Amino acid sequence: AQSVTQPDIHITVSEGASLELRCNYSYGATPYLFWYVQSPGQGLQLLLKYFSGDTLVQGIKGFEAEFKRSQSSFNLRKPSVHWSDAAEYFCAVGAPGSARQLTFGSGTQLTVLP
Amino acid sequence: ETGVTQSPTHLIKTRGQQVTLRCSSQSGHNTVSWYQQALGQGPQFIFQYYREEENGRGNFPPRFSGLQFPNYSSELNVNALELDDSALYLCASSLESAGTEAFFGQGTRLTVV
Repeated sequence: AQSVTQPDIHITVSEGASLELRCNYSYGATPYLFWYVQSPGQGLQLLLKYFSGDTLVQGIKGFEAEFKRSQSSFNLRKPSVHWSDAAEYFCAVGAPGSARQLTFGSGTQLTVLP
Repeated sequence: ETGVTQSPTHLIKTRGQQVTLRCSSQSGHNTVSWYQQALGQGPQFIFQYYREEENGRGNFPPRFSGLQFPNYSSELNVNALELDDSALYLCASSLESAGTEAFFGQGTRLTVV
């Protein structure tokens, strides 16, 4: 069975600092990989996705993520965090060819200090 | 292009009652998935509908059921509500083809008392 681990429950960074959120997955093949962001009381917004090809993917709001097959990881990064980035971030995997039945991690809550 | 819309936004029900949640897909999308997100957790896949038939189900009991209509909108029904059913219920729509992502609605917050 596939699974997703986000080892950091809560991360606090200062505005302008760099950010890396970790995601490790367990799957028999290379899955489809996603990062979603959720603001309080809101639904999920897709930040970026990896299906195949270039292992460094760019997303919205200045985020990027790197797929590392050898480490089964798909870490999310941003060079300079803005106060509006404070939210909860979810990593998710889908079976190859399917982006619809997703398995999510438990999320990382990001706090941004002024 | 309209996004995914869910109704109602909030709902309070009593244990043992039944509830129906509704979802309108994004324009052009033919697949709907439903997720349950308990407080402090990531979303968990309930089931998916394609062409009005269930096309995949997560680890949820039969009292969770659904429908998809010809216009691709969908309903999630939960019978015999339990306190643990209190959660944010998210609907996501997508195209039934590889290489596409799911777009989520704002969710329905269900509280069972």
